[in-house]
Amino acid sequence: DGGITQSPKYLFRKEGQNVTLSCEQNLNHDAMYWYRQDPGQGLRLIYYSQIVNDFQKGDIAEGYSVSREKKESFPLTVTSAQKNPTAFYLCASSISAGIHQPQHFGDGTRLSIL
Amino acid sequence: KQEVTQIPAALSVPEGENLVLNCSFTDSAIYNLQWFRQDPGKGLTSLLLIQSSQREQTSGRLNASLDKSSGRSTLYIAASQPGDSATYLCAANTGANSKLTFGKGITLSVRP
Repeated sequence: DGGITQSPKYLFRKEGQNVTLSCEQNLNHDAMYWYRQDPGQGLRLIYYSQIVNDFQKGDIAEGYSVSREKKESFPLTVTSAQKNPTAFYLCASSISAGIHQPQHFGDGTRLSIL
Repeated sequence: KQEVTQIPAALSVPEGENLVLNCSFTDSAIYNLQWFRQDPGKGLTSLLLIQSSQREQTSGRLNASLDKSSGRSTLYIAASQPGDSATYLCAANTGANSKLTFGKGITLSVRP
């Protein structure tokens, strides 16, 4: 079954700790995206990657880091520099970063502070 | 800077009603507009994507329209059912790299 898998579903972070959210896709998509969703707000773009070994900052990249070593994987690290990390994190992918391509989403990871 | 607005934030209707969800955007230079459904605690499910050259797209009981000149898109749901209860988000694609600008969503409740 093709799709996007995000893990874990729930994650808790202690003060000063870095945590990594996993996103894997078996759709053979070139482009991948990370969004953050806060209650009552629209999704905001954190990072995106058009191709392996390349990624760009989105609108709210501060306190986050990513890597794209494999086509199917785009992990997001929430660093201790992100002072308000509690949110719902969504990963998406599209066939390419071309302007006509729809984005498809995973089921999300909910991150909370202990 | 593109801004996408969805009003009202919440809507409650009786089962069987036909309804329209509105989405407005400030920059008419969009490449496409995508409608999504989000169930509580879940990710987004893509419903319809309308390219800038198109006026509407249909999928089953759903019909989405796009009027770039007025900066509006609507999602029409025919014969609503309780299973349609969810949050509906629209997103405008206004740049390269498929960057999407999202509205805050409309939470729909269909009463049996």
